[in-house]
Amino acid sequence: DIEMTQSPSSLSASVGDRVTISCRASQGISNFLAWYQQKPGKVPKLLMYAASTLQSGVPSRFSGSGSGTDFTLTISSLQPEDVATYYCQKYNSAPFTFGPGTKVDIK
Amino acid sequence: QVQLVQSGAEVKTPGASVKVSCKTSGYIFTSYGISWVRQAPGQGLEWMGWISVDNGKTNYAQKLQGRVTMTTDTSTSTAYLELRTLRSDDTAVYYCARDLRYNWKFPELAYWGQGTLVTVSS
Repeated sequence: DIEMTQSPSSLSASVGDRVTISCRASQGISNFLAWYQQKPGKVPKLLMYAASTLQSGVPSRFSGSGSGTDFTLTISSLQPEDVATYYCQKYNSAPFTFGPGTKVDIK
Repeated sequence: QVQLVQSGAEVKTPGASVKVSCKTSGYIFTSYGISWVRQAPGQGLEWMGWISVDNGKTNYAQKLQGRVTMTTDTSTSTAYLELRTLRSDDTAVYYCARDLRYNWKFPELAYWGQGTLVTVSS
């Protein structure tokens, strides 16, 4: 099975900072990669699909890139409401594995 | 609007089974797949499986094979997750989630249920 890793596992940044989260697949998955945001105590929310397509209603400060094995989620200007754990998920073929998550908080 | 409403919290003893329901509304039930995802306390998201509602085809996580069954009832637009031979490490919040795109067999989880806490304890 393809393994998904994320780095860093956690980060602390200031409001207004540019934040980058990496996701790596152990084998190529084309662009079948989604990103989810889960705020504390809340249900996960789809942010991005097909690696770089912004889900409807998601602020434009979020962007995604990558293809094959290496992917990036970028928050261009971190806001207090972005405090959350972010997960990538592959979905080219089953199993549709999630990455271990990256916890983002405010410095 | 699309809604997924799950059944209430459950407390089970080890070895028992649990069946969680996910009642959907606001869309054509048979046109979108349903995934099940769980989250143990303080842990990350774990994909459990996916069901293609139009034909009943399922994909299950290897570690759950033999203990898990995902089904649907098209007459009530409800999806079900059954997990058998429960263990303490099955304690988690269980989520159902609907695919984003119409008749697209690659699950992008756009709509989520509220979650169902299943506690396994003797």
